[in-house]
Amino acid sequence: QKEVEQDPGPLSVPEGAIVSLNCTYSNSAFQYFMWYRQYSRKGPELLMYTYSSGNKEDGRFTAQVDKSSKYISLFIRDSQPSDSATYLCAMSPYALNFGKGTSLLVTP
Amino acid sequence: GAGVSQSPSNKVTEKGKDVELRCDPISGHTALYWYRQSLGQGLEFLIYFQGNSAPDKSGLPSDRFSAERTGGSVSTLTIQRTQQEDSAVYLCASSLAHSGREQFFGPGTRLTVL
Repeated sequence: QKEVEQDPGPLSVPEGAIVSLNCTYSNSAFQYFMWYRQYSRKGPELLMYTYSSGNKEDGRFTAQVDKSSKYISLFIRDSQPSDSATYLCAMSPYALNFGKGTSLLVTP
Repeated sequence: GAGVSQSPSNKVTEKGKDVELRCDPISGHTALYWYRQSLGQGLEFLIYFQGNSAPDKSGLPSDRFSAERTGGSVSTLTIQRTQQEDSAVYLCASSLAHSGREQFFGPGTRLTVL
């Protein structure tokens, strides 16, 4: 069993919908939690970084960490076609352990 | 400022040849990481460097893979006697400190072994 599990999708939603992306993990040593967005044939782009349990908001994006359940989420409000990408969760004490990514398609 | 750069962007090679992939991290970033992204496998950690410390090579898949970092800046990942299963996108990332947080990625090198 991988240390980080992420549903690969694909996930298709209409423009304006709220998107919920999730990952579970098994290693209690993970302290830092990140969400990356990756467009096709590009490197991953850091979206959100959180350290502790709780919520962190940045514009349309909210990252949520529940260490007791070993569960992290990324919410995208008012989704746009430009949000169509693969979303990767990552976590660490140092080198990142990635989920396999969820492919998101936002249709106009 | 400039982000992480990698070269070449694409590399096609024949099975059995050696290849060198280059990473130029963000200026001032002391930690540098190499990852491999294969179709269906996600991103897997290969090796990381932190300052002058010995690198953590725990993710290297075989002794055909090696990496060095000269002067605490530019890094080269070398794959000897390439195999078809080495075909993947090789990504480099850098961060301010050895904390694992806020790693910034380059665009990657797409390696194809024929």
